[in-house]
Amino acid sequence: QVQLVQSGAEVKKPGSSVKVACKAAGFTFKNFAITWVRLAPGQGLEWIGATIPIFDSTTYAQKFQGRVTISADESTSTAYMELGRLTSEDSAIYYCARESVPVSTGRSSFDFWGQGTSVTVSS
Amino acid sequence: EVVMTQSPATLSVSLGERATLSCRASQSVFSNLAWYQQKRGQPPRLLIYGASTRASACPARISGSGSGTEFTLTISSLESEDVAVYYCQQYGNWPPYTFGQGTKLEI
Repeated sequence: QVQLVQSGAEVKKPGSSVKVACKAAGFTFKNFAITWVRLAPGQGLEWIGATIPIFDSTTYAQKFQGRVTISADESTSTAYMELGRLTSEDSAIYYCARESVPVSTGRSSFDFWGQGTSVTVSS
Repeated sequence: EVVMTQSPATLSVSLGERATLSCRASQSVFSNLAWYQQKRGQPPRLLIYGASTRASACPARISGSGSGTEFTLTISSLESEDVAVYYCQQYGNWPPYTFGQGTKLEI
């Protein structure tokens, strides 16, 4: 069955970076876009960006351009999201999710989600 | 970017009663709209895509409707397991994907 398993909780200092992993199983990894979404306390869901391995293509939300890097390793079926120059406003739960439509990105809902990774930014 | 506005922010409904949640887009997203349910401590779960198509495992009492800029999620007969926050998401105008701020459904 389709599974997305994320790496564990992180506590980071302001100004540092965090890298979250998302290991996929149960589907052909290269054919589906993996998208990253976060949920901050008291806020709604916020899209960060997405990558689709088969096209070696990545798209970011403008808000995060320049300080986020999303990548994918086909050999391990793992996607990564690295966010730099952290501030307290980046404290949130970060989710990876699979975009539903294969061999495509930017035109679908998200049918499977990882369990979430808590990132806390504190001095 | 497309701004999604959900109403109400909190909805209180009695068990067995109907719950109606609204989502409005700042411009047409056609039928490219999804609804998610998020229970405390869990990731979001896809309920509806294409504005009205149920995802697998979405209960038949939950339905979606609408197109263009106005969308509705209806729970025909509320059960205790439906307590959650519900989000709409548009994918008709990308990037970026955008979500509403959520409706908290309580009993």
